[in-house]
Amino acid sequence: DIVLTQAPLSVSVTPGESASISCRSSKSLLSSKGITSLYWYLQRPGKSPQLLIYQMSNLASGVPDRFSSSGSETDFTLKISKVETEDVGVYYCGHRLEYPLTFGSGTKLEIK
Amino acid sequence: QVKLLQSGAALVKPGDSVKMSCKASGYTFTDYIIHWVKQSHGKSLEWIGYINPYSGGTNYNEKFKSKATLTVDKSSSTAYMEFSRLTSEDSAIYYCARSNFFDYWGQGVMVTVSS
Repeated sequence: DIVLTQAPLSVSVTPGESASISCRSSKSLLSSKGITSLYWYLQRPGKSPQLLIYQMSNLASGVPDRFSSSGSETDFTLKISKVETEDVGVYYCGHRLEYPLTFGSGTKLEIK
Repeated sequence: QVKLLQSGAALVKPGDSVKMSCKASGYTFTDYIIHWVKQSHGKSLEWIGYINPYSGGTNYNEKFKSKATLTVDKSSSTAYMEFSRLTSEDSAIYYCARSNFFDYWGQGVMVTVSS
């Protein structure tokens, strides 16, 4: 199974500043179709997860452009610019390259 | 708008089964596969499996193969997951999610296994 390792475990950010979250894959997530199969989700407290980023760098519908993602075949970074209080929650990376699908262990973002 | 409405919380006894539902609306049900995900308290997400509402075809995580059964009722645009031989380890929130992008999620079903 593909293992996704996220860091840090938690991050505390002052509103208006930036935050970065890392996700490292145990295997290349570049598919034979040339698509990097890495996704980012945000789970706000008490809510269901929501899709933020698909195929490594594409913003999901309705997601503010303060969110961005980049990476290589195995190392990925989610960046949140100008953090707002509504960004609080747990961020998960996940892959869709092969089965079983797996997720990272999550990074908790808190506001200072 | 797209919605996935899941059934209510369940309190079940060890050894029993539970069947939960995920009713889709706002799109053509047979156009997208439905995934199921487990989230134990305070923990990460585990993929259970998916079902293709059009064909009924399924794919399960090996870990849940003997535990979960996925079905659909196309007439009511509803996906179901039955979890059998429940133990305390199965106490968790279970989500359904649409498509390989997991672009829409249900609100989750909290299952508590307790005698």
